[in-house]
Amino acid sequence: DVKVTQSSRYLVKRTGEKVFLECVQDMDHENMFWYRQDPGLGLRLIYFSYDVKMKEKGDIPEGYSVSREKKERFSLILESASTNQTSMYLCASSSRAATYEQYFGPGTRLTVT
Amino acid sequence: GIQVEQSPPDLILQEGANSTLRCNFSDSVNNLQWFHQNPWGQLINLFYIPSGTKQNGRLSATTVATERYSLLYISSSQTTDSGVYFCAVAYFGNEKLTFGTGTRLTIIP
Repeated sequence: DVKVTQSSRYLVKRTGEKVFLECVQDMDHENMFWYRQDPGLGLRLIYFSYDVKMKEKGDIPEGYSVSREKKERFSLILESASTNQTSMYLCASSSRAATYEQYFGPGTRLTVT
Repeated sequence: GIQVEQSPPDLILQEGANSTLRCNFSDSVNNLQWFHQNPWGQLINLFYIPSGTKQNGRLSATTVATERYSLLYISSSQTTDSGVYFCAVAYFGNEKLTFGTGTRLTIIP
C-alpha cells in the first residue's frame, strides 16, 4: 500500500513565524504535490515537484516555497506566516512510470494567529 | 484549463439508499480519480478510472470518456459513507489534477 505521511495533523503558529510542513512517501514516487483546501475554494495546487531539487509553481505559490532534497521527502515552507495562510494543507505523490494516480497524506490543519 | 463540474452539490439520504454522483469535464482526459474525504480531512482513493467501469464492494464507477462524464454509484449507503466526494482529472501529458468542487453526502441513520 502507498503511504504518504505528514509531520503534523494540527499546527498552531503565530503571525511572522517560519513554518515547515513535511511530507514523506514510501513508494519511490517521482512526483510530489502540495495543495491547500479552503471552504468554498476547493483544493488548489501550491507547488509540484517532479524530481529531486526540481519544482514547479502551481496555482497559488505566493507566500510559499518548497524543498525537495531527497526523493521521498517534500517540504512546504511558509517564510513568514500570515493569518490568510490558515488552511488545511494536503500532500500527495504519484508515479511517472505508472498511471499518475495521486495518493494523499492525512493533511495538516494549520492555524496562524 | 480543464473545467470539472460535480453534481449534486449536496445529497442527504437515509441509510440503505442508493445514490449516483456525477462528474462532467470539459476536455479529453487520461487520468480521472474519485476520492472520498473523510471527516478528519483525509482524501481516500476510491477509483482510478479514466475510462470504463470498475467495482469495489458497494461502490462502482463508470467513465464515458467520449462524452466527458463519470458516475460514482454507492449502493446500500451506510453512515460511514458520509463525507465529501471529489472527482479530479488530468489531461494527457499533465500530471497535475484539477478537482471538482465536490458532492457532500450525508447519510442519516
